[in-house]
Amino acid sequence: RKEVEQDPGPFNVPEGATVAFNCTYSNSASQSFFWYRQDCRKEPKLLMSVYSSGNEDGRFTAQLNRASQYISLLIRDSKLSDSATYLCVVNAGGYNKLIFGAGTRLAVHP
Amino acid sequence: EPEVTQTPSHQVTQMGQEVILRCVPISNHLYFYWYRQILGQKVEFLVSFYNNEISEKSEIFDDQFSVERPDGSNFTLKIRSTKLEDSAMYFCASIRQGDTYEQYFGPGTRLTVT
Repeated sequence: RKEVEQDPGPFNVPEGATVAFNCTYSNSASQSFFWYRQDCRKEPKLLMSVYSSGNEDGRFTAQLNRASQYISLLIRDSKLSDSATYLCVVNAGGYNKLIFGAGTRLAVHP
Repeated sequence: EPEVTQTPSHQVTQMGQEVILRCVPISNHLYFYWYRQILGQKVEFLVSFYNNEISEKSEIFDDQFSVERPDGSNFTLKIRSTKLEDSAMYFCASIRQGDTYEQYFGPGTRLTVT
């Protein structure tokens, strides 16, 4: 089983749509969880950390279900500028190495 | 806002040559990392570095790779004898001790081995 698994997409959505990404992770001892965004040939950029209580940052909402080892990201009112690959990332503990999913590609069209 | 910087942005080298990739982490950060991303694949952990020594390394990080922090600001990754399969983006990242463990990535160095 992959350590972090994501649907690769692509998700093609119109502007203004709501889109949800899901992710599962295999290591139940994982402590920290993140969503990063990566534009083509650029570095991963931290979008938000994910907490068990759920957290929201503007149009973005992240949820964590530790029992199911499941992480989600919801994007409301999609913008053209949201087009990117969204990476589900898990901190493997110890010295905090990050384990990345392969990413879910989002394309927002007019 | 402080940023992680990396040089060069693109390095082309011939197979068998040595390369050194350079990173300047954010100044008050204490944990440093190298990751790589082969084109079309996911980001993979290579090595973590804390208190002037390697704290963890992956299977990818074999004897051909080394890291050091020679002067308290730069953090380097050396590949002694490059192979074609070393062609990838190499990202440096850092975190501050006691932070929420959010890692900040540099813009990357694209290494092309011919």
